[in-house]
Amino acid sequence: DGGITQSPKYLFRKEGQNVTLSCEQNLNHDAMYWYRQDPGQGLRLIYYSQIVNDFQKGDIAEGYSVSREKKESFPLTVTSAQKNPTAFYLCASSIAYNNYEQYFGPGTRLTVT
Amino acid sequence: GESVGLHLPTLSVQEGDNSIINCAYSNSASDYFIWYKQESGKGPQFIIDIRSNMDKRQGQRVTVLLNKTVKHLSLQIAATQPGDSAVYFCAETETGNQFYFGTGTSLTVIP
Repeated sequence: DGGITQSPKYLFRKEGQNVTLSCEQNLNHDAMYWYRQDPGQGLRLIYYSQIVNDFQKGDIAEGYSVSREKKESFPLTVTSAQKNPTAFYLCASSIAYNNYEQYFGPGTRLTVT
Repeated sequence: GESVGLHLPTLSVQEGDNSIINCAYSNSASDYFIWYKQESGKGPQFIIDIRSNMDKRQGQRVTVLLNKTVKHLSLQIAATQPGDSAVYFCAETETGNQFYFGTGTSLTVIP
């Protein structure tokens, strides 16, 4: 089956710790994205990557970091600098950066206490 | 910045009735719109899309209407079923490079 996987589904961390969320796709898509979803708000773009070894900041990149060493993988690290990290994180991919249809993964719910 | 909003945060309908979910957008240059369905704890699923050169598009049991004059988008679901219960939100883009997402409407189908 082709698709996007995110792991884990639920993640709990103590304040001050960095945490890395996994996102893997086997759709052979060039572009990948990370969004954050909070209650009562629309998805907000954290980072995106148009191609391997390239990534750009989205609207709310502060306190986050990413890497894109492989086409199929786009991990997101939530650092201790992120002031309000508790949220639902969604990874998406598209065939190309300006290709309109994005496919979403199942999400990771991160809780930081 | 962009503004994509929904007129109603919640909607309850009887099973078998039609549902209408609305979305307002502010960027008159937006040329592509998508409706997503998101079930609790899951990622969004693509439902239907429409480009700005169209005012109506139909899928299986769903229709999207676009009114560019008033910058309004609606999703109509025919013969709503319990499996349609979810949060629905719209997204818009001008270039395909960055999407702006609405906050969502929670649809509850009453059996």
